[in-house]
Amino acid sequence: SAVISQKPSRDICQRGTSLTIQCQVDSQVTMMFWYRQQPGQSLTLIATANQGSEATYESGFVIDKFPISRPNLTFSTLTVSNMSPEDSSIYLCSVGSPGGEKLFFGSGTQLSVL
Amino acid sequence: SQQGEEDPQALSIQEGENATMNCSYKTSINNLQWYRQNSGRGLVHLILIRSNEREKHSGRLRVTLDTSKKSSSLLITASRAADTASYFCATEANDYKLSFGAGTTVTVRA
Repeated sequence: SAVISQKPSRDICQRGTSLTIQCQVDSQVTMMFWYRQQPGQSLTLIATANQGSEATYESGFVIDKFPISRPNLTFSTLTVSNMSPEDSSIYLCSVGSPGGEKLFFGSGTQLSVL
Repeated sequence: SQQGEEDPQALSIQEGENATMNCSYKTSINNLQWYRQNSGRGLVHLILIRSNEREKHSGRLRVTLDTSKKSSSLLITASRAADTASYFCATEANDYKLSFGAGTTVTVRA
């Protein structure tokens, strides 16, 4: 199994600012995934981050709002830009198992935007 | 996009009782998985059942899959306080992405 360190674990931010979330994996992985979980809701995939290429964004999510970096096979960041209260959510990074079927998750970043 | 619909939304049981939750989905799948989330933190993978399987066990967990009805159930036997969590089903179709259901919140009372 993969061990994923995600930080910060929580933050309270002012509207109009940006927050960068970091995700570090203890092994090399090809794909990393970023999810958003709005209060009381399920998980929605934001984007898939591959090392060495641009992230692939899901419908409803754009790079200007959620820029992603993937500088190597063990690390990724997600930035939530120009935040509004609607961005208040839990943000989760995840990686696939070696067989690619199941996901391992970081502990999440609980973001509150005032 | 969210494919799974879970039922019930919330469940409260006494310690030692069994908890059953259901998941329905809309399109053909390669596999269906169940995850647990404690207190809004990261999800933990519980069990995976492939589309050609009908039932699977792991410890106190029993999962069934009925592809003709596009539904799955998760049974937790002899529940414990530590089983208090939200449980999500997730389906994998032909792409590698998982689509998560809305979740069932389980409360186990001592």
